[in-house]
Amino acid sequence: GAVVSQHPSWVICKSGTSVKIECRSLDFQATTMFWYRQFPKQSLMLMATSNEGSKATYEQGVEKDKFLINHASLTLSTLTVTSAHPEDSSFYICSARGGGVRVTEAFFGQGTRLTVV
Amino acid sequence: GESVGLHLPTLSVQEGDNSIINCAYSNSASDYFIWYKQESGKGPQFIIDIRSNMDKRQGQRVTVLLNKTVKHLSLQIAATQPGDSAVYFCAALAGTALIFGKGTTLSVSS
Repeated sequence: GAVVSQHPSWVICKSGTSVKIECRSLDFQATTMFWYRQFPKQSLMLMATSNEGSKATYEQGVEKDKFLINHASLTLSTLTVTSAHPEDSSFYICSARGGGVRVTEAFFGQGTRLTVV
Repeated sequence: GESVGLHLPTLSVQEGDNSIINCAYSNSASDYFIWYKQESGKGPQFIIDIRSNMDKRQGQRVTVLLNKTVKHLSLQIAATQPGDSAVYFCAALAGTALIFGKGTTLSVSS
């Protein structure tokens, strides 16, 4: 199956700094990418949906100025957590879907664990 | 909007037993559902899906049942193995994005 790669897998940063997480579709063109956030022992919460070349659509309650999403190419989307605080510590997961394929082809990355100290 | 929930947060079974994990959804307009398996520290892994025009679908050792009348779906795992231990999520399609339920932790003991 298609592969979606996230980088880094794990990051620790100081409070107040910004962190960028990359999501790449390695062998297909991802017209739509989704970013999820998962707290320990909880479910995946959709943060935003991004389409290549356009602004991301954020879910209610997600601060777009804090979680900057860029989907500049068909193989790369980035999530930047700006001015990170300890409460932003979480597991961030991206999902990518190619144009014209079934939603089952929405492959997930392996996740990025962010710890803000 | 859509909300998706699971009845039990944990399920413990013996190796070889059959496992049944349940899920309820709220939006009767949801027409596509997926079960995912998530191991610790990893992203979700697709298991099986079902569309609303079906009430049953079978895969390898797994079966998904959909009851649209009561907005309920279940995942059945036959001959559960230790490698099946993980958190299982159901997800429903809402617009273009998948909305995930809360998850059931399946523990399989030998």
